[in-house]
Amino acid sequence: QQQVKQSPQSLIVQKGGISIINCAYENTAFDYFPWYQQFPGKGPALLIAIRPDVSEKKEGRFTISFNKSAKQFSLHIMDSQPGDSATYFCAAGGGAGNNRKLIWGLGTSLAVNP
Amino acid sequence: DGGITQSPKYLFRKEGQNVTLSCEQNLNHDAMYWYRQDPGQGLRLIYYSQIVNDFQKGDIAEGYSVSREKKESFPLTVTSAQKNPTAFYLCASKVTGAETGELFFGEGSRLTVL
Repeated sequence: QQQVKQSPQSLIVQKGGISIINCAYENTAFDYFPWYQQFPGKGPALLIAIRPDVSEKKEGRFTISFNKSAKQFSLHIMDSQPGDSATYFCAAGGGAGNNRKLIWGLGTSLAVNP
Repeated sequence: DGGITQSPKYLFRKEGQNVTLSCEQNLNHDAMYWYRQDPGQGLRLIYYSQIVNDFQKGDIAEGYSVSREKKESFPLTVTSAQKNPTAFYLCASKVTGAETGELFFGEGSRLTVL
């Protein structure tokens, strides 16, 4: 059962364009929504994260938009660059103590053409 | 430099053999995790440990075993009972108690069963 649905599965964008990746979740108990970036042959690395008490968070060219009522959040990459070509994973965290879990989306493979 | 070291990076094994993947961290993190990554399936949690000498099964623990005798080390054994062990394995760590804490990943170990 996939609790975090990520789309699209793959995305091709021209250099300078905007890349948009969407995620939807089901469990309203989730309270932490990170995005991880993974380059081929490497482990994922945290890119940006948001809590549900804010609707948007921006770090450089990367922005998370969060819609609590719709249970959706998205990653926007402005002025996309070839170096942004990677796989992006959204995730949702919830639970307390030892029961705290991070549920992952299936990933989006982004290719930015020069 | 602080980080997570996984070894070996590439590993080949014959069917019916057990293999152990090493994960060492010098970040002084209490919590450590093992994930399996298959194309198009995201990250799936195998085992995790919040503290030395204690660990819990994740979503796909069957055919795997772990130990946590030292804070810095969390080796994963892929046993012959694992039906489809060919995959990319990722080790990660996090500060315990930081519910929104960043997961730090190693560079992964790619296991191929011949």
